[in-house]
Amino acid sequence: SQTIHQWPATLVQPVGSPLSLECTVEGTSNPNLYWYRQAAGRGLQLLFYSVGIGQISSEVPQNLSASRPQDRQFILSSKKLLLSDSGFYLCAWSVLPTGNLWTETQYFGPGTRLLVL
Amino acid sequence: AQSVTQLGSHVSVSEGALVLLRCNYSSSVPPYLFWYVQYPNQGLQLLLKYTSAATLVKGINGFEAEFKKSETSFHLTKPSAHMRDAAEYFCAVNRGGANNLFFGTGTRLTVIP
Repeated sequence: SQTIHQWPATLVQPVGSPLSLECTVEGTSNPNLYWYRQAAGRGLQLLFYSVGIGQISSEVPQNLSASRPQDRQFILSSKKLLLSDSGFYLCAWSVLPTGNLWTETQYFGPGTRLLVL
Repeated sequence: AQSVTQLGSHVSVSEGALVLLRCNYSSSVPPYLFWYVQYPNQGLQLLLKYTSAATLVKGINGFEAEFKKSETSFHLTKPSAHMRDAAEYFCAVNRGGANNLFFGTGTRLTVIP
């Protein structure tokens, strides 16, 4: 079965410091990978998605970046954190189904809570 | 473009009472719809999904949702609420392509003992 891991689970960082959050998926090949953010009291915001190694699409321009160095590894980074980067970061994966593409389903990791002070 | 709207950001029910969480969709093509649940400090878990096979979809934890094309709705229900159902619930629609899910803003369910 497939599993998705995120780490760290919790992170407290000062403003201006760098960031690296990691997400890995097991038990599947060539997944689509996603990074979302939930700010306090708000819904889900899609930040990046990737359909393959080295292929990153950004949904929202900001001081964050993403990379996919391996098939099942997705990294979210920042060179200098802002207060507004605080939130709950969720990684998700999906696999393109054969047949009806509209039934593609995303599965989420446990999340990383980031607090920028 | 496909989208969903969740009516009511907060819903409170008594333990044992009916749970009804509302979701309306907008879609120019037959929609594929999802409900996810998020327990405190956890990721999202898939509750159920509608993929056009049957209009009444049964999910995990006793939840079900009915697709009503005439009302453009996909409301989530559970006959009897439990304390463990307290969570945030998200409705989503598949809009095709690699960036495929559009999420509603979520409904926080509180269960009163």
